[in-house]
Parts: sequence; C-alpha cells; structure tokens
Amino acid sequence: DAGITQSPRHKVTETGTPVTLRCHQTENHRYMYWYRQDPGHGLRLIHYSYGVKDTDKGEVSDGYSVSRSKTEDFLLTLESATSSQTSVYFCAIRGGSSYNEQFFGPGTRLTVL
Amino acid sequence: GDSVTQMEGPVTLSEEAFLTINCTYTATGYPSLFWYVQYPGEGLQLLLKATKADDKGSNKGFEATYRKETTSFHLEKGSVQVSDSAVYFCALMAGDYNTDKLIFGTGTRLQVFP
Repeated sequence: DAGITQSPRHKVTETGTPVTLRCHQTENHRYMYWYRQDPGHGLRLIHYSYGVKDTDKGEVSDGYSVSRSKTEDFLLTLESATSSQTSVYFCAIRGGSSYNEQFFGPGTRLTVL
Repeated sequence: GDSVTQMEGPVTLSEEAFLTINCTYTATGYPSLFWYVQYPGEGLQLLLKATKADDKGSNKGFEATYRKETTSFHLEKGSVQVSDSAVYFCALMAGDYNTDKLIFGTGTRLQVFP
C-alpha cells in the first residue's frame, strides 16, 4: 500500500463546469502522475510532477492543468469540463526497490453530462 | 514512438487451464517491462516486472520473460483460478530518469469460469 488516496471517488458534473480532482500521498514521494483510463486505450498520461511546483505535460494534456504546491498533494483541474473528459482518472506515484515502479490510487470516476 | 501491443480479449478459460496473454513492444533503447492487473472497481496493481533482456519476472504463479530478440513480454500462468479474473495491462518504461513514463497496452480481460 503506497498510501495514495483520491477524492472524490465519483463525480457527475455538467459540461462547462470546472472540476478539480485531488491525489494525496502520505509517503513523501517526489514523482506523481495523472492518467486517464478509457476503453480501447489503456491508460494514458495526462500530466506528471517531479517535485513541488515542477510539472510537465503528458500524452493527453489538452484541457487539463495541474498544480503541486506541497509534496503530498497533486491536483488535476478541468477548467471547463467536456463530455470527452468522461473517464476514470488514476493518480500514481513512483517508487519501488529500483525506483522504476509506479503505484496507483483507487481512481476517480468522472461523468460529464 | 514507443508503444505496446496486447492481444485483444476477452480471454475466457476454465479453472486450472493454462494462460498466455501476448504482449509485444516497440521502443528505442532498453526499456523496463511490466505487467499490471486491475480487479473490478480497483486501481492497477503491479504484478511483475523485468528490467533487462532475458530477465524473468514472476509473482503469484504468473511469469513473463523479457525477450529482446522478439520484443515480447508474454504473461503466462500454469493453472488459473477464478480469482485471477481481471484486466491485465502490459506496459513499458523508457526514457531518461526524469522523464520516465509508463506506456500501456490497451489491456486484456481474463474471465475464468469454475
């Protein structure tokens, strides 16, 4: 258990509204990641962070922004949600014996109507 | 760019059958390879990994061997159980230290019936 929680776990919102998802970790991991999971696509990287205030874009970053003001929290924001952002969102941290493993949170199911 | 290709599912087996889920990859350099498992309603869990050619990862009766010559990392288990029913993802990690990212296949659903 890598001590990762995500909130909320489920959310239904309407097109055009802002949404923020939170990832919280308790073990001081430097690297954190946001992925989305969609049928037929596996998981795709949205944004990642390699330290406080250090973030970078992933494969599918359009329409998303992130912030990391403290080590334990990594926030994903949809400034104006669209139906194409209906998905399951997973947060992950990097760790493991050779520091090349990623451990995932339980996910947030987001529905944009 | 780097990519991972998995066999399409679902794979449907009877309990105690032999399992193979195929995974091939395309990558520059020498990636690390992973299998993740996702049980219904849960996040992904690391099942096993291999970091260099000819390494064999194993866990919970599952095995996969890193084959550089065929760019493959097939998942096998000799005798599946109903509790193995889940979605299995093959993934690779390539790139330098600061930009290591996991690239996933599309996942293969395994259904095991008693």
